Amino acid sequence: AQSVSQHNHHVILSEAASLELGCNYSYGGTVNLFWYVQYPGQHLQLLLKYFSGDPLVKGIKGFEAEFIKSKFSFNLRKPSVQWSDTAEYFCAVIPTGANNLFFGTGTRLTVIP
Amino acid sequence: NAGVTQTPKFRILKIGQSMTLQCTQDMNHNYMYWYRQDPGMGLKLIYYSVGAGITDKGEVPNGYNVSRSTTEDFPLRLELAAPSQTSVYFCASRPGQSYEQYFGPGTRLTVT
Repeated sequence: AQSVSQHNHHVILSEAASLELGCNYSYGGTVNLFWYVQYPGQHLQLLLKYFSGDPLVKGIKGFEAEFIKSKFSFNLRKPSVQWSDTAEYFCAVIPTGANNLFFGTGTRLTVIP
Repeated sequence: NAGVTQTPKFRILKIGQSMTLQCTQDMNHNYMYWYRQDPGMGLKLIYYSVGAGITDKGEVPNGYNVSRSTTEDFPLRLELAAPSQTSVYFCASRPGQSYEQYFGPGTRLTVT
């Protein structure tokens, strides 16, 4: 079955530590990829997106993600996290031509001051 | 633009009651979606619409109904509420030429 996997359910980091959250998908064709963030009590906001072109995409708040087609991956990175990055992070995929986004189960990030 | 708005923000229902969750967008987007979010489960698609008058089932449609009489509005109806429908419900929309979805603030529903 087609799916989106986020391997880390809960990540705890100290401020200034580097972050990498994994995302893998199982669709065989062309895909469009997203990372959304949900701060406590708030709705989902777009962090970054990849449609085509440079596989390294930069988003808001210093986040970036790299699309590696051969590995079906779209991992999220940030060199130095802040306490305000505490949130839940969702990877999402929509195959080109499809109507729906498919979400991973999310990764909860806790940053300790 | 207000973007995607949802009402109510919170609601408690008794088992067997009915209610409608409202969703409105003012961006003239063709596509609209309803998701539910349960802890540790991510977002699951309930229903979606590709334009006024056209709706289709998502991954978890049982117990829900939708309609899309206008471009702006996409209400979600729960006919006989069950405890399994306790969740946070998000509405989203996107234009036809982009895959990026814009989310509303959510409705937290508790069925007891």
